[in-house]
Amino acid sequence: NAGVTQTPKFRILKIGQSMTLQCAQDMNHNYMYWYRQDPGMGLKLIYYSVGAGITDKGEVPNGYNVSRSTTEDFPLRLELAAPSQTSVYFCASKGGSGNEQFFGPGTRLTVL
Amino acid sequence: AQSVAQPEDQVNVAEGNPLTVKCTYSVSGNPYLFWYVQYPNRGLQFLLKYITGDNLVKGSYGFEAEFNKSQTSFHLKKPSALVSDSALYFCAVRDRDSNYQLIWGAGTKLIIKP
Repeated sequence: NAGVTQTPKFRILKIGQSMTLQCAQDMNHNYMYWYRQDPGMGLKLIYYSVGAGITDKGEVPNGYNVSRSTTEDFPLRLELAAPSQTSVYFCASKGGSGNEQFFGPGTRLTVL
Repeated sequence: AQSVAQPEDQVNVAEGNPLTVKCTYSVSGNPYLFWYVQYPNRGLQFLLKYITGDNLVKGSYGFEAEFNKSQTSFHLKKPSALVSDSALYFCAVRDRDSNYQLIWGAGTKLIIKP
């Protein structure tokens, strides 16, 4: 199993540009998550999904959108990038309600 | 309000000595508790969890954690630290009524000196 994969690993955007961060998992997990990690801070939940076709906002959803058309994929869309969105983005998945989350390697995004 | 606190930004330990990384929480009901580790430029890796049962939980890489309900704590411990244990450690708590979300601590940087 590849686990949770994320692309790209690094990206530099100009203010106002848009992009999609890709996330895929091959563990047949129902739950998937997007977090951002700012320097010296813990993780903040952006969006999550409990299954294909179902998504919901987390703590910091503004400026982002997600979709979950399949169990495997959970892309995160940034519209009109802003410097405040400079961060490291992690995707995670888990199989059941009490289970641990599995994390991808992260995407380091810089908005200039 | 639900919260997780890791009161130490950094913990320094000499190799071979025991280590403790502290975590306290404030959530309603009986929580699920987790510890994760993050090595530089990597994603988070699961170490251990407490759901129910024995208050002492054993996990990966020789780590263990003790759930203390009266003190609302879940401190991470290891009897003998290795230099390779140097990393960022995160405590997380899931309230069973929180709609599947984890509440994360800010992280503690553990430095093991040879």
